[in-house]
Amino acid sequence: DAGVIQSPRHEVTEMGQEVTLRCKPISGHDYLFWYRQTMMRGLELLIYFNNNVPIDDSGMPEDRFSAKMPNASFSTLKIQPSEPRDSAVYFCASSLLPVRDTEAFFGQGTRLTVV
Amino acid sequence: KNQVEQSPQSLIILEGKNCTLQCNYTVSPFSNLRWYKQDTGRGPVSLTIMTFSENTKSNGRYTATLDADTKQSSLHITASQLSDSASYICVVSLGSNDYKLSFGAGTTVTVRA
Repeated sequence: DAGVIQSPRHEVTEMGQEVTLRCKPISGHDYLFWYRQTMMRGLELLIYFNNNVPIDDSGMPEDRFSAKMPNASFSTLKIQPSEPRDSAVYFCASSLLPVRDTEAFFGQGTRLTVV
Repeated sequence: KNQVEQSPQSLIILEGKNCTLQCNYTVSPFSNLRWYKQDTGRGPVSLTIMTFSENTKSNGRYTATLDADTKQSSLHITASQLSDSASYICVVSLGSNDYKLSFGAGTTVTVRA
């Protein structure tokens, strides 16, 4: 398996524009996570899916952020409108079992810069 | 509050030398503790996972220890190589929750020739 695949790797956009980040989890993994990493706050959980259903989105910072998982092999994280403070590295991760009991595999991340 | 504290924030070592990174946590109830390695521009990759009953676990030149009584863990890197230059993140899993991980801020290790 190629692991968790994220696209794009880098995204530069102007403030106010819509940004869509994409993730393909490892095949067979029922749990998918979106994280954001910044120097100030480290890794933060944004939202978590189980069997394509959003279970906890309490980490989503604002209504400008939304995430979907239309099927088991694809998820998106959308920011609309984007703001400079959204600049960060966004990671998608997946796991076979509840992450409490097993390893979470991370993608390479998408580095987002909002200017 | 569930917290994971790592020290030092960064360190520089010469190639071939050993180093030890520290992690203290207040996460409760505790399920397991992981050490991740994150190369620059890459996603975190798991090095070790330990439950409360495990005192030590090795992965090549990386050896992690865990003292569940004092809530401390360490990661020892033996005979460091240039490829060990990375950020090392201590992550604790909450026993009462299926999906939340508590992340430390990481220790940045730089290995110099």
